[in-house]
Amino acid sequence: GDSVTQMEGPVTLSEEAFLTINCTYTATGYPSLFWYVQYPGEGLQLLLKATKADDKGSNKGFEATYRKETTSFHLEKGSVQVSDSAVYFCALSAGTGGSEKLVFGKGTKLTVNP
Amino acid sequence: DTAVSQTPKYLVTQMGNDKSIKCEQNLGHDTMYWYKQDSKKFLKIMFSYNNKELIINETVPNRFSPKSPDKAHLNLHINSLELGDSAVYFCASSQGLAGLSTDTQYFGPGTRLTVL
Repeated sequence: GDSVTQMEGPVTLSEEAFLTINCTYTATGYPSLFWYVQYPGEGLQLLLKATKADDKGSNKGFEATYRKETTSFHLEKGSVQVSDSAVYFCALSAGTGGSEKLVFGKGTKLTVNP
Repeated sequence: DTAVSQTPKYLVTQMGNDKSIKCEQNLGHDTMYWYKQDSKKFLKIMFSYNNKELIINETVPNRFSPKSPDKAHLNLHINSLELGDSAVYFCASSQGLAGLSTDTQYFGPGTRLTVL
C-alpha cells in the first residue's frame, strides 16, 4: 500500500541555520504530495504542496520539489526562525472520486533555538 | 471565521462510557474526514464522507460510528470507550472534486480524548 517515510526527529537547530527534512514515498499511480505543519497545541496547517513531478511547492521560505525519479519530497528552508518550531508532516494523497485520503509520515519535531 | 471547528476541545471520560465529538465546516466542501493522532503523533485516517455518503472506513472498530446529518457536519460517536481510544481526533474537509487527489485538506483544531 501507499506509505510515506520521514526522517526521524527530533531536529534541533540554531536560528538562521539551514533546514532539510527528508521525505520519501511509495505509491501506485501519481499521488499529490504535501507538507503539513502542526504548531504546539494546534491542528494541522498546509505548508505547501505539489501535484505532479518536478513541481516545486513553496511557502513562508519553505520549499520542496516533487522528484518522481527518487520518489522524494524533501522540505528545505534556508534560514530557520524560532517561530518555525513545530512538528512537520509529509503526506501523500491518493484516490479519486471523493475517496481521496492523506497518508502521513510519522512527523518530525523541529526545535529552533535563539 | 473558523473554517473547520470541533467540539469539545478536551474530553475526559471513564472507560465504558459513550461519547460524541462534533465537527462543522463552513467552507462549502463536499468531503469530510476523521483522523486519529496517537501519543507518538502518528496520524491515520479513520473515515471519510462525500456528500453525506461513507466513502472510506479504515478498519476502525465498530464502536466508532460516524454520522453526517448534512455535508457541513460530520460527527463521531464512540461507544464503550477503551483506554486505547485516548488520542487526539482531527476532523478535516476538502473540496472533494471527483477524479482529483490534488485537493488540500483543511483540519480542525483537534479534540484531545482521555479515557481513564
